[in-house]
Amino acid sequence: QKEVEQNSGPLSVPEGAIASLNCTYSDRGSQSFFWYRQYSGKSPELIMSIYSNGDKEDGRFTAQLNKASQYVSLLIRDSQPSDSATYLCAVHRWDSGYALNFGKGTSLLVTP
Amino acid sequence: DAGVIQSPRHEVTEMGQEVTLRCKPISGHDYLFWYRQTMMRGLELLIYFNNNVPIDDSGMPEDRFSAKMPNASFSTLKIQPSEPRDSAVYFCASSLRTHYSYEQYFGPGTRLTVT
Repeated sequence: QKEVEQNSGPLSVPEGAIASLNCTYSDRGSQSFFWYRQYSGKSPELIMSIYSNGDKEDGRFTAQLNKASQYVSLLIRDSQPSDSATYLCAVHRWDSGYALNFGKGTSLLVTP
Repeated sequence: DAGVIQSPRHEVTEMGQEVTLRCKPISGHDYLFWYRQTMMRGLELLIYFNNNVPIDDSGMPEDRFSAKMPNASFSTLKIQPSEPRDSAVYFCASSLRTHYSYEQYFGPGTRLTVT
């Protein structure tokens, strides 16, 4: 079983700070990477996708990918209490059909 | 634009009963996925379809679980007979295959409780 690992948290950051969420994966053939946000009692919501090494920015969110080191991270700038949620990392390998392999998620708590 | 629709949102049933969960994917999407989420195991892929055809059902836990997709706008996940360990949130997700994208969009889920 190819693993996607995330620290379960909770990761607590003060409002306005940068939240840094990390994800490591074991399958070197992985090529597509996704971050989902899941509020308590709700469904996962896609917030970022990244396919190439480097950074990808979208508003307050930045995804960072380093395939050599097999990690992907999500930075949330100017964190708000509304960002408090569980963040799921998902990984896809091109020859594994269309399935995504999800980590168990990191719980983020942004305190006012 | 309507997202993925699932019904029912909550289901409480007794052990041994048949349970049917329903899903309507986003219009035009050609992939449909069924997931199960528990605190212990996280989000697990059960089965997925492409153009109404089951592609990978290796995640289906046992023969008590079955899934069908009779047309592009409807899928069911059936558990018969249900057991308490089947209690979980079941999500349906859909996706549109493009050259580069494997993004999946989730429905609101069905919370199943088997007593």
